[in-house]
Amino acid sequence: DIVMTQSPASLSVSPGETATLSCRASQSISTNLAWYQQKPGQAPRLLIYGASTRATGIPPRFSGSGSGTEFTLTISSLQSEDFAVYYCQQYNDWPPYTFGQGTKLEIK
Amino acid sequence: QVQLVESGGGVVQPGRSLILSCAASGYTFSNYVMHWVRQAPGKGLEWVALISYDGSNKFYADSVKGRFTISRDNPKNTLFLQVNSLRPEDTAVYYCARGSGTSGWDPFDYWGQGTLVTVSS
Repeated sequence: DIVMTQSPASLSVSPGETATLSCRASQSISTNLAWYQQKPGQAPRLLIYGASTRATGIPPRFSGSGSGTEFTLTISSLQSEDFAVYYCQQYNDWPPYTFGQGTKLEIK
Repeated sequence: QVQLVESGGGVVQPGRSLILSCAASGYTFSNYVMHWVRQAPGKGLEWVALISYDGSNKFYADSVKGRFTISRDNPKNTLFLQVNSLRPEDTAVYYCARGSGTSGWDPFDYWGQGTLVTVSS
């Protein structure tokens, strides 16, 4: 199984600043990587797929990059509604589909 | 708009069974792969099962293989998860999610709100 490792586990950033979240795959997954946002008590929401393509309705302050085994989610000009848990997921080699353990983005 | 609504969760004793349902609307259900994903309290996301658009192919996580069965009723736009031989470690919110395509090599673009299954004596 492909192991997805996210770092850091938690991140404190001030509103208006930029947050950079990382995700590493245990083997190459090309660009078959998605990022999801989850707020407390809510279902996950797809943000980014194909490593860098924003999903429908996702604002441009969310951007993704990377390929192979190293991926980054960048959130610029952080707004209050962006503070949440973020998960990466590979869909290149399944079953199983695997998720990272999550990065909790907190307000500083 | 796409909507996925799960139901069927509850408190169940170890070893017992449940059937979870996911009612889909707002799109052509029979055109898409569907998944179940679960999340234990305070934990991350764990993929559980996939069913192809026509129900002909099914895949499971090792942790549930042989105990859980995914199925779908395309004319009724409904996805199911039969969960048998429940264990305390199966306690989680169970989400249904739509694969964004027909192949399986796609992200999960819509999710339901989840249904909580608690396994406890």
